[in-house]
Amino acid sequence: SAVISQKPSRDICQRGTSLTIQCQVDSQVTMMFWYRQQPGQSLTLIATANQGSEATYESGFVIDKFPISRPNLTFSTLTVSNMSPEDSSIYLCSVEPPGNEQFFGPGTRLTVL
Amino acid sequence: GNSVTQMEGPVTLSEEAFLTINCTYTATGYPSLFWYVQYPGEGLQLLLKATKADDKGSNKGFEATYRKETTSFHLEKGSVQVSDSAVYFCALRSRGAQKLVFGQGTRLTINP
Repeated sequence: SAVISQKPSRDICQRGTSLTIQCQVDSQVTMMFWYRQQPGQSLTLIATANQGSEATYESGFVIDKFPISRPNLTFSTLTVSNMSPEDSSIYLCSVEPPGNEQFFGPGTRLTVL
Repeated sequence: GNSVTQMEGPVTLSEEAFLTINCTYTATGYPSLFWYVQYPGEGLQLLLKATKADDKGSNKGFEATYRKETTSFHLEKGSVQVSDSAVYFCALRSRGAQKLVFGQGTRLTINP
């Protein structure tokens, strides 16, 4: 298993600003993922972040809007850039230790005014 | 593309009632199927899974059977408790892929 923490747990931001979300896991993992859960909707994968390589983005998500860092095997950040109210969502990171299923962090609840 | 459709919520039941949350999927090949649960204020937790047709996943009194012929993975529990109140997500993952595809989630409330 893996224990994941995210910071901040929630934030209220102004339109046009950027927010960086941190994800910390208690063990070294190769695979880390960032998901978005818009109000009343399902979870959607934003990107896969593997240490030592560029993040791989899903259709509809671009690096300029959601830059990701993965400096080591226990940490990653997701930045939501130039925010608009449509970016109001819960952002979750997850990890997949070898031979295990995905474990999820508690999420960051973002509100953009 | 792959997709998961869940029963519309919210669902409200009395304690000790029988629970079914429907889940159907569209996918090529033979995906793995999952149920995740999100308790209030917590992250998603894996509840159960099945990796091939006719497999039954079970955990905490919940069960779901992988039905290839009906492309379904319905979640059931014989007698629910107040502590089962949560949001339940059905999900699939195609063979060889890391990406999970989720249903929209079903909010379950159990009243004493």
